[in-house]
Amino acid sequence: GESVGLHLPTLSVQEGDNSIINCAYSNSASDYFIWYKQESGKGPQFIIDIRSNMDKRQGQRVTVLLNKTVKHLSLQIAATQPGDSAVYFCAENGGLTGGGNKLTFGTGTQLKVEL
Amino acid sequence: DTAVSQTPKYLVTQMGNDKSIKCEQNLGHDTMYWYKQDSKKFLKIMFSYNNKELIINETVPNRFSPKSPDKAHLNLHINSLELGDSAVYFCASSQDGGDTQYFGPGTRLTVL
Repeated sequence: GESVGLHLPTLSVQEGDNSIINCAYSNSASDYFIWYKQESGKGPQFIIDIRSNMDKRQGQRVTVLLNKTVKHLSLQIAATQPGDSAVYFCAENGGLTGGGNKLTFGTGTQLKVEL
Repeated sequence: DTAVSQTPKYLVTQMGNDKSIKCEQNLGHDTMYWYKQDSKKFLKIMFSYNNKELIINETVPNRFSPKSPDKAHLNLHINSLELGDSAVYFCASSQDGGDTQYFGPGTRLTVL
């Protein structure tokens, strides 16, 4: 079946360094991708999204890159801070939108920021 | 103001009991969802409702019955609870026609 997967379950970075979290997807029909941050004991929090007609999108300290050729998505966090420590999920919509929207989530990457 | 809220936050119960989890969103969204997150943090959709109408039912056992009294509320009732139902359940909502889903804080269900 279709799946969304992450390359690394845990990523440790030094405070101030840049973080890169990767995600591979297999559903070529997906045209919407989203990154969530989940802190311990909380629900997933929207970080940034991107549509398949774009290759790159920037937010505040975060950038999402989409490579449709190899079905790869990445989240870059600049100047990583202790507050960035969390589990990060990528998700894709499988080409479904609107009322039938169903996000398929990846397995998550735990980001640990070391002081 | 809380955008998507759930009650209770924690729920501990015995096997065989029936329990409900409530969800409310004040974002004016038309579509609401229930997700289950297992002990390995894997998030999987269970149901979605659009304007009180069931849209997605992901082969969830019929012991789980969602109910949407209005488009701002989506409750989840679970009959005959089993040990395997222990998980964190998240409610989410999105604008009709939109892709971005906003999640609630979760309800941690523990079945003993």
